Amino acid sequence: DADVTQTPRNRITKTGKRIMLECSQTKGHDRMYWYRQDPGLGLRLIYYSFDVKDINKGEISDGYSVSRQAQAKFSLSLESAIPNQTALYFCATSGWDSQETQYFGPGTRLLVL
Amino acid sequence: AQSVTQPDIHITVSEGASLELRCNYSYGATPYLFWYVQSPGQGLQLLLKYFSGDTLVQGIKGFEAEFKRSQSSFNLRKPSVHWSDAAEYFCAVGAGNTGKLIFGQGTTLQVKP
Repeated sequence: DADVTQTPRNRITKTGKRIMLECSQTKGHDRMYWYRQDPGLGLRLIYYSFDVKDINKGEISDGYSVSRQAQAKFSLSLESAIPNQTALYFCATSGWDSQETQYFGPGTRLLVL
Repeated sequence: AQSVTQPDIHITVSEGASLELRCNYSYGATPYLFWYVQSPGQGLQLLLKYFSGDTLVQGIKGFEAEFKRSQSSFNLRKPSVHWSDAAEYFCAVGAGNTGKLIFGQGTTLQVKP
């Protein structure tokens, strides 16, 4: 079984809809991250969390919110989706002792019409 | 501010030829450096990482990278490329003791038969 899972893997939604992307991990890591990937831009950090009570904005948090329901679960929400949020979204985890090494889920491909 | 530059957006090499992917970073202290690979439809897989010590690091799938502090570079190399190496490659730098990574824009590798 994969250590970092993301659901759904693919999603098509309409402008204005609220959607949630979910991430679960079995690595026992405290730290979790959400990135989006756009062609030519690499990966950009949306939000990150170092433990259940710690949530931090990344470089592109506008239009997104997150919830850390448990150590193993970190969800990303788009409150009112817009077309420029069409992207590939990745969840990642790392341990406090992993020297910043991050482990990635398989990604969620989101299309906003 | 920390940054990572991958000068080559797209590279094409023949199968069996050698490969070098360039990565330059901007960081004030000794960085943590990473190379990740993303195969089509997959998440990011860690190829190798540098924290300290020997500046030539070995990774999975026959890849290696060399940290050159004087050139602020961490180039990825492979002596003989296989068709299965076709993928997108990302260089990343650890942003100090923040638990965050800064990613380059990525380099897409195409392998000709």
